[in-house]
Amino acid sequence: QVQLVESGGGVVQPGRSLSLSCAVSGFTFRSDDMYWVRQAPGKGLEWVATLSYGARDKYYADSVEGRFTISRDTSKNTLYLQMNSLRSEDTAVYYCARGRVLRSSTWFDPWGQGTLVTVSS
Amino acid sequence: QPVLTQPPSASASLGASVTLTCTLNSGYSNYKVDWYQQRPGKGPRFVMRVGTGGIVESKGDGIPDRFSVLASGLNRYLTIKNIQEEDESDYHCGADHGSGRTFVYVFGGGTKVTVL
Repeated sequence: QVQLVESGGGVVQPGRSLSLSCAVSGFTFRSDDMYWVRQAPGKGLEWVATLSYGARDKYYADSVEGRFTISRDTSKNTLYLQMNSLRSEDTAVYYCARGRVLRSSTWFDPWGQGTLVTVSS
Repeated sequence: QPVLTQPPSASASLGASVTLTCTLNSGYSNYKVDWYQQRPGKGPRFVMRVGTGGIVESKGDGIPDRFSVLASGLNRYLTIKNIQEEDESDYHCGADHGSGRTFVYVFGGGTKVTVL
């Protein structure tokens, strides 16, 4: 059974850092693109970051470029999101998701249950 | 890049049908759109991908046959027939946009479906 479990959320002050983890099971982690998507309270979904299956390519939303870093440890079957210089607008539930691809086009399936990050002084 | 627009809310009586709309901006009529269901307090769940012409390119595990999709021009539709209480959720549409060595995935604002 494919499963993704996020952790690491919490309350952090503006300007500080936080690292999120996503433990995956039930599929070959290194064969799939992986993603982080967030959802601010009461708002819609926002794609945050992509890590290609070979870990060579990384893509970021403009809103987090230069502050967030996506990475993975295949020996631990874990995806990470290192978040630096956090801002109040980064407050959101963060989800990790597996990428599915058909004819070079991507969707997300499945998703984790999410971890809440609150940036507040 | 594409922009997806969804009405904020929709409702239907138990057992009736409801159709949700996701509208692409001009110039993106050939884009595939993905539908996700998000129950209260839960992570999103992939429902279905709809291509041009209403072709179902992929369907999520365990999605009932009551869910179907259509496409027309810039619009992508998700219809729920014989709606049940467990279908009361937020529904998000999304689309990827890759250009060379860039990647973006955009979502609509989501539609909250209420079962009356």
